[in-house]
Amino acid sequence: SQKIEQNSEALNIQEGKTATLTCNYTNYSPAYLQWYRQDPGRGPVFLLLIRENEKEKRKERLKVTFDTTLKQSLFHITASQPADSATYLCALERFNQFYFGTGTSLTVIP
Amino acid sequence: DTAVSQTPKYLVTQMGNDKSIKCEQNLGHDTMYWYKQDSKKFLKIMFSYNNKELIINETVPNRFSPKSPDKAHLNLHINSLELGDSAVYFCASSQVDRTLYEQYFGPGTRLTVT
Repeated sequence: SQKIEQNSEALNIQEGKTATLTCNYTNYSPAYLQWYRQDPGRGPVFLLLIRENEKEKRKERLKVTFDTTLKQSLFHITASQPADSATYLCALERFNQFYFGTGTSLTVIP
Repeated sequence: DTAVSQTPKYLVTQMGNDKSIKCEQNLGHDTMYWYKQDSKKFLKIMFSYNNKELIINETVPNRFSPKSPDKAHLNLHINSLELGDSAVYFCASSQVDRTLYEQYFGPGTRLTVT
């Protein structure tokens, strides 16, 4: 079965720096990979999707890369702000079901 | 205008009881899902359902059953509740044939079994 791991459960960075989160999977490469943000007490919110034939995707201060050789996706938040503090989840789709990673809790320190 | 709504938000009940959680989406999506998020915040899919197919994750006990009265609703029935069922349950929906294929999640239902 697919195992999806995200780097360290918690990540603390200084405001203004770039946060880099990782998502590693073990078996099949999905057709695409998604990133979500989850705030305490709320449901996840979709941020970005990247397909297997895409190397990089950007949306405002967010950037996602996808390396099917390494079986890894990197999620970057540039010029981080305290409002970016949340848990970030990666998700892989297979046969119309989504499998989520363990999540990384990001704290941006003012 | 809430896209995906769930009721109730909190549910406290005793072991052995049967309970239901309701989910409604007003996005016109064709597929709905149920997820369980445990105390370690791990989000695990339980079911995906559209009007053609129900896919059940093999680890889900058969005490859990989804019921869809129509395309906009997917309710979750749980029989003979156990302590280990305590978690936050999220409903979600998506449109499978859309380019982005993103899921929209409800606010969650926190179930506590005592």
